[in-house]
Amino acid sequence: GAGVSQSPRYKVAKRGQDVALRCDPISGHVSLFWYQQALGQGPEFLTYFQNEAQLDKSGLPSDRFFAERPEGSVSTLKIQRTQQEDSAVYLCASSSRQGPFGQYFGPGTRLTVT
Amino acid sequence: AQRVTQPEKLLSVFKGAPVELKCNYSYSGSPELFWYVQYSRQRLQLLLRHISRESIKGFTADLNKGETSFHLKKPFAQEEDSAMYYCALRELGGTALIFGKGTTLSVSS
Repeated sequence: GAGVSQSPRYKVAKRGQDVALRCDPISGHVSLFWYQQALGQGPEFLTYFQNEAQLDKSGLPSDRFFAERPEGSVSTLKIQRTQQEDSAVYLCASSSRQGPFGQYFGPGTRLTVT
Repeated sequence: AQRVTQPEKLLSVFKGAPVELKCNYSYSGSPELFWYVQYSRQRLQLLLRHISRESIKGFTADLNKGETSFHLKKPFAQEEDSAMYYCALRELGGTALIFGKGTTLSVSS
């Protein structure tokens, strides 16, 4: 079956532009997570959804970052007025149960801000 | 402060040699610990969880609460084990995974 998919796989944005990153979780997965992975670092938690409810957004680095999952399936991570420090790989993961049991990761979106 | 520490950035071993990838954590409660692996040009995938006490692809990891460690071990490394390995922690009642910086394992013949 299809795994977690993310689009675009690569995004180059000029500083100050807004970007939107999409995540399609595995069908039926209740939980969805976003992580940010800077070069040479491990993934860092951004936010967590259970169905359409955003239950934890403690990892979002600033109010320029916004995530939504309006129908409890596809999720979008939006970054407004991108800065160079936003350059990273953005990973989406989903799981069928609450919490990180058996989290399945997508391939990531590599964002480069120039 | 680093919650999950993987002290080695790179570990190089020969095929057939034993492997130990170190992971230490900082958490006063009862953690859940995981090892994730990322092979070249593939996505991050769960290798094993401490709660399952399982062996996957010949790898095992034991949670040592006294030493706050969760080292990943394999008695005989194979070339196909070459990958990036991440140790991750989840706090009791938490949702987020806290990852270490990762260790690249390189197995050569």
